[in-house]
Amino acid sequence: ILNVEQSPQSLHVQEGDSTNFTCSFPSSNFYALHWYRWETAKSPEALFVMTLNGDEKKKGRISATLNTKEGYSYLYIKGSQPEDSATYLCAFSGNNNDMRFGAGTRLTVKP
Amino acid sequence: DARVTQTPRDKVTEMGQEVTMRCQPILGHNTVFWYRQTMMQGLELLAYFRNRAPLDDSGMPKDRFSAEMPDATLATLKIQPSEPRDSAVYFCASGLEAGGPPGELFFGEGSRLTVL
Repeated sequence: ILNVEQSPQSLHVQEGDSTNFTCSFPSSNFYALHWYRWETAKSPEALFVMTLNGDEKKKGRISATLNTKEGYSYLYIKGSQPEDSATYLCAFSGNNNDMRFGAGTRLTVKP
Repeated sequence: DARVTQTPRDKVTEMGQEVTMRCQPILGHNTVFWYRQTMMQGLELLAYFRNRAPLDDSGMPKDRFSAEMPDATLATLKIQPSEPRDSAVYFCASGLEAGGPPGELFFGEGSRLTVL
């Protein structure tokens, strides 16, 4: 069983703070790393998919980096807003094209 | 608009009963994933299909769970017999894989199962 680990488990920040979370994954048989955003009472929605070591992706105030050699990815949120409050999931895809999720980081942004 | 449809949304049943959850993937998508939401593991992968063929169902308890795709518009997850520990929210997601890594998955709204 492949372990995808995310930290921290939860995070509380003030509006305007910048924050980041970590996803660690097996560095062998790597194919892709995905980030999803999951708001309460909704379904997960894709943010990024990254495949190459050194990849950086950005969408508005949210960005992500990838290090496949050491098996980690960071998700950054600049100037957090209350609407950023959600659980952020990362998922690992191996050579068999599966998609296995970590337990997520629950972010709460206080006004 | 295109979306993944899951039924039932809520199901309460008694231990020992058979439960079937259904998923209609987005038209044209060729991958379907079944996940179970747990407190400890977040989204636990149960099974997935590509072009209707099962690729991996090692995440499922084989003695009671089964997953099938009778056709391209329907995926089913069956539990027989159900047990209280099966109580969870079950998510189906579909995507389009075009020879590269899995692309974006689109999730259904989930089926909440309660086994008494």
